[in-house]
Amino acid sequence: EPEVTQTPSHQVTQMGQEVILRCVPISNHLYFYWYRQILGQKVEFLVSFYNNEISEKSEIFDDQFSVERPDGSNFTLKIRSTKLEDSAMYFCASSLGGIQNGAEQFFGPGTRLTVL
Amino acid sequence: GENVEQHPSTLSVQEGDSAVIKCTYSDSASNYFPWYKQELGKRPQLIIDIRSNVGEKKDQRIAVTLNKTAKHFSLHITETQPEDSAVYFCAAKGGSYIPTFGRGTSLIVHP
Repeated sequence: EPEVTQTPSHQVTQMGQEVILRCVPISNHLYFYWYRQILGQKVEFLVSFYNNEISEKSEIFDDQFSVERPDGSNFTLKIRSTKLEDSAMYFCASSLGGIQNGAEQFFGPGTRLTVL
Repeated sequence: GENVEQHPSTLSVQEGDSAVIKCTYSDSASNYFPWYKQELGKRPQLIIDIRSNVGEKKDQRIAVTLNKTAKHFSLHITETQPEDSAVYFCAAKGGSYIPTFGRGTSLIVHP
């Protein structure tokens, strides 16, 4: 069964450094998402991406964040200058159709980002 | 925007008992309510969902009910097993792309 994959599984970085989190969505999916989950808290939506552009983003997704689908396969989340409060598990997800129509999202295993 | 409240935050049951997790939502336009199971250190996985035109849906030991008037929906797990132990998240989604998640319920099933 196809799965969403994410690399790395764990990323440790110094405050102020840039990080890029990578995701490979399920190959025929068209909608892509990033979520984050601070330890012990709920999953929070960051951004959705469709047709090579951002469809919607939350208040968390400020100018420090950007997403890209550089090669038709990978879907990346970049944090330009990490802060301590960016430490969280970051989940990528994809869906075949839009979730506004009830399409199921498939989540990746997550990347744990630790900012020191 | 949508606000989803989930209770309880922790639920401890004996194997074989039933478990019920409840969520309320605020946006009457919400029309899709998925439930996710997240085992420790793993990804959230969809276990069941319900749409606003349905009042109840069942899949083996798992069922979800929706009361649109009261704006609440519940997850019911019968004959619980130790492998049901996980964090369960409810979510609500309306016309926006953005699903709003509840804070999660940590279910512990004691053998």
